[in-house]
Amino acid sequence: AQSVAQPEDQVNVAEGNPLTVKCTYSVSGNPYLFWYVQYPNRGLQFLLKYITGDNLVKGSYGFEAEFNKSQTSFHLKKPSALVSDSALYFCAVRVGWEDNDMRFGAGTRLTVKP
Amino acid sequence: DGGITQSPKYLFRKEGQNVTLSCEQNLNHDAMYWYRQDPGQGLRLIYYSQIVNDFQKGDIAEGYSVSREKKESFPLTVTSAQKNPTAFYLCASSIRTVNTEAFFGQGTRLTVV
Repeated sequence: AQSVAQPEDQVNVAEGNPLTVKCTYSVSGNPYLFWYVQYPNRGLQFLLKYITGDNLVKGSYGFEAEFNKSQTSFHLKKPSALVSDSALYFCAVRVGWEDNDMRFGAGTRLTVKP
Repeated sequence: DGGITQSPKYLFRKEGQNVTLSCEQNLNHDAMYWYRQDPGQGLRLIYYSQIVNDFQKGDIAEGYSVSREKKESFPLTVTSAQKNPTAFYLCASSIRTVNTEAFFGQGTRLTVV
């Protein structure tokens, strides 16, 4: 069965520093990988996705993610963190319509301190 | 504006009561989903539907029921059989292709009182 893991419950960074939120996946086919962000008491907002092609994917709000097939990872990155980036981040994977759901990680809470 | 709307935002239920959470989308999406969110557990799939009049159980369907009579609507009923219903419920929709992202509503927070 497909799954994703986010090994860190919490990530703390100082404003202006680079940030990384980690995600690893386990699938039996080619993965389609997604990152979402959630602000308090709100729904999830799509940030970016990897489908195929270039391993470095650029998304909304200056975020990017690097797909690494050998390490089965899809880490979310940003060169310079903002306080407003503080939120809950979810990695998700989808493989195919036989298993139609989108599987989410447990989430990583990012806190950016001024 | 296109989007997905969940109502109500907050819902209180007495033990033993059924309650229905509304989810409506005007994105013309075929696929719709219901997720439950608990602290530290991420999102768990309750039910999903790929097309009108068809839906499938997710990982935690027990105690829940759904219907999909219209493309735009996918209501979720939390029945009295759900023993621990207090949670944040999220509805989502997407195009019926595997490489597309899902669009989420703003969520309904259900509390049993």
